[in-house]
Amino acid sequence: GAVVSQHPSRVICKSGTSVKIECRSLDFQATTMFWYRQFPKQSLMLMATSNEGSKATYEQGVEKDKFLINHASLTLSTLTVTSAHPEDSSFYICSASPGYNEKLFFGSGTQLSVL
Amino acid sequence: QQQVKQSPQSLIVQKGGIPIINCAYENTAFDYFPWYQQFPGKGPALLIAIRPDVSEKKEGRFTISFNKSAKQFSLHIMDSQPGDSATYFCAAGAGQAGTALIFGKGTTLSVSS
Repeated sequence: GAVVSQHPSRVICKSGTSVKIECRSLDFQATTMFWYRQFPKQSLMLMATSNEGSKATYEQGVEKDKFLINHASLTLSTLTVTSAHPEDSSFYICSASPGYNEKLFFGSGTQLSVL
Repeated sequence: QQQVKQSPQSLIVQKGGIPIINCAYENTAFDYFPWYQQFPGKGPALLIAIRPDVSEKKEGRFTISFNKSAKQFSLHIMDSQPGDSATYFCAAGAGQAGTALIFGKGTTLSVSS
C-alpha cells in the first residue's frame, strides 16, 4: 500500500507555544490530505481537508486560526497548532489518497501533550 | 445522516473464534465502506473495503458482508489470533478519490490465547 509518513510521532510542549506536524506522502502525489484528531479510546474526528495550493476546508467547530494547515506541495501538508493549551492535547493523524482510487492511507500519528 | 454506527464497543473472543463487528449508515450517498485496524499509538491501517455492488468480500481471514437494503455491513475475522487484538473501525465515504471518510466509534477486540 501507499506510504504516508508523519513527523514527529510525539511532542511535549508548554502551554502557549506552537507546534508543527508534518505529513508526507512518500510514494505518491496527494492533491488532497486530511487531518483527523483522536482522543483516547475514541473515534477519529475529521478536522480539515487540506488541498494543495489552496486554503484548507475546516469542519464545523474546528478553529482555523488555531489549527493552521498548509499544503505547499503534492507530497507535504503541515498542521500547526498555534498557542497550544492543555485541551489541545490529543492524537493527530493525517491521511492521504493516491488520487486514482478511493483508498485512504494514514500516517502513524502524532501524540501532542501540552503542559 | 453523516453518522456511522458501530457495535459492539468491545469484544472478547478465544483464539480461533470468529468475532463479528457490525456497522450501519444512513447516508445513501456513501458507496465505499472500508475497515481499519488500529494498534495503540499507531495510525489506522486499511484492512479491507467493499463497494455496494457486491454482498461479500474476502481477503485472507477478513470478510466483509454488506446488506445494501438494510444499510448495514459487518466484519468477520476467521480463526482469530491474539495478534488480532486491536481496535477496529468501520468507515464510510462517497467513494471518490480525494474524499474524506466518516468513522464509526470503534470496537476494541481482545483475543485470548
